[in-house]
Amino acid sequence: DQQVKQNSPSLSVQEGRISILNCDYTNSMFDYFLWYKKYPAEGPTFLISISSIKDKNEDGRFTVFLNKSAKHLSLHIVPSQPGDSAVYFCAASAGDDKIIFGKGTRLHILP
Amino acid sequence: SAVISQKPSRDICQRGTSLTIQCQVDSQVTMMFWYRQQPGQSLTLIATANQGSEATYESGFVIDKFPISRPNLTFSTLTVSNMSPEDSSIYLCSAEPGQGYEQYFGPGTRLTVT
Repeated sequence: DQQVKQNSPSLSVQEGRISILNCDYTNSMFDYFLWYKKYPAEGPTFLISISSIKDKNEDGRFTVFLNKSAKHLSLHIVPSQPGDSAVYFCAASAGDDKIIFGKGTRLHILP
Repeated sequence: SAVISQKPSRDICQRGTSLTIQCQVDSQVTMMFWYRQQPGQSLTLIATANQGSEATYESGFVIDKFPISRPNLTFSTLTVSNMSPEDSSIYLCSAEPGQGYEQYFGPGTRLTVT
């Protein structure tokens, strides 16, 4: 039973355009959401997070939007850069220090 | 944040043997975790490494197969015991410094069992 779902295994975006990565969750107890970025042969790198009391959090080129009623969150990257090519993991926590990860979306930034 | 190192970075092992993976954090942290990432899959939590007490294992993982040590607030080890090819995976250590739920990950150990 997958509690965090990333339904797009991959996404290709032109350099300079907006990348939108989507994530759905099923557990209503999740109250904290995170995005990680992973390059090959490296561990995941924390990118940005959002608490369930907010609907938006922004950090530079990265913005995460949370729609609690739809149990949906998205990560926007604007503008997309070549170095953004990586696998992005959506993750969620129910406040017990455990993080549940989605399967990831591979983002390709096209020149 | 926290900087985490893992040793070894990769290994090829024969079935039936055991491998111990080390994880070092550059600062004292309360929470440390061990994950497994099988090819094409998500990160799956194996256990929470508790300092001074036994690790807390997730469903499907047992201490006999994955014994964990946490002797202090900066170090932990995971042993993969009596290995089979199904244990071929990337094993990742993480730490939660405590300011939020963010975890910081080591570079991972790529294990291949033949």
